[in-house]
Amino acid sequence: AQRVTQPEKLLSVFKGAPVELKCNYSYSGSPELFWYVQYSRQRLQLLLRHISRESIKGFTADLNKGETSFHLKKPFAQEEDSAMYYCALHSDSNYQLIWGAGTKLIIKP
Amino acid sequence: KAGVTQTPRYLIKTRGQQVTLSCSPISGHRSVSWYQQTPGQGLQFLFEYFSETQRNKGNFPGRFSGRQFSNSRSEMNVSTLELGDSALYLCASSLGDRNSYEQYFGPGTRLTVT
Repeated sequence: AQRVTQPEKLLSVFKGAPVELKCNYSYSGSPELFWYVQYSRQRLQLLLRHISRESIKGFTADLNKGETSFHLKKPFAQEEDSAMYYCALHSDSNYQLIWGAGTKLIIKP
Repeated sequence: KAGVTQTPRYLIKTRGQQVTLSCSPISGHRSVSWYQQTPGQGLQFLFEYFSETQRNKGNFPGRFSGRQFSNSRSEMNVSTLELGDSALYLCASSLGDRNSYEQYFGPGTRLTVT
C-alpha cells in the first residue's frame, strides 16, 4: 500500500538548534517526494521536491531509498520556520499526491 | 499568473443545509483536487477532477460531491451538513499529467456548521 508517515504531530525546538522533521514512505515504484509548508494564515505551498535536490530557506531533504525516508532538515532553526509541514508522495499509478498527517513545528525563542 | 482562488472564504451553515464551494484554478491547469483540513485529521483527500471527469476519489460519504466545468473551474457540494463537516476546504490545481503533478493551493474556504 502507498503510505506516507510523519511520526511526529508536534515538534518543538529552540531557535538556533537543528531541526529534523521525519517522513517515511511505503511505495513499490520509484518515488517522487515533496515537502509542503503552511505558515500561519497562509496557503499551503511547495517547499521542496527531492528531484531538484535544492535547498529552500535553509531546508534540505535527502531521499533514502534504503530506509524509505525523506526527512527534512535545517541546521539552525529560525522563529519564522514555525509552521505546519506536510510530506507528500506522488503516485504515478493514479496521479495523486499521498499525504502524511503533518508535523507542526514550533520554534521557541 | 493569478493563483488559485476560492469562494467564499468563510461560510456559516446550519446542520442539514447544503453548501457549494467554488475553486478557480491557475490558467492552463486542468486538474483540480479538493481536500478537507481539520486540526485532528490533517489533510484529507476528497476527490480530483481532470478535464471535467472525476479521476480520483477519497473515502468520503456520498454527501460530498463535485464537478468541473469546461473552463476547469470546479465546485464542491456538501449536502445534509453535519457538525463534523466544519473544516477548512482546500482546492489545489495542477497541470495534471504524469510529469506535472505539483499542486498549487488556494487559500481555502472555512466552513462552520452550527
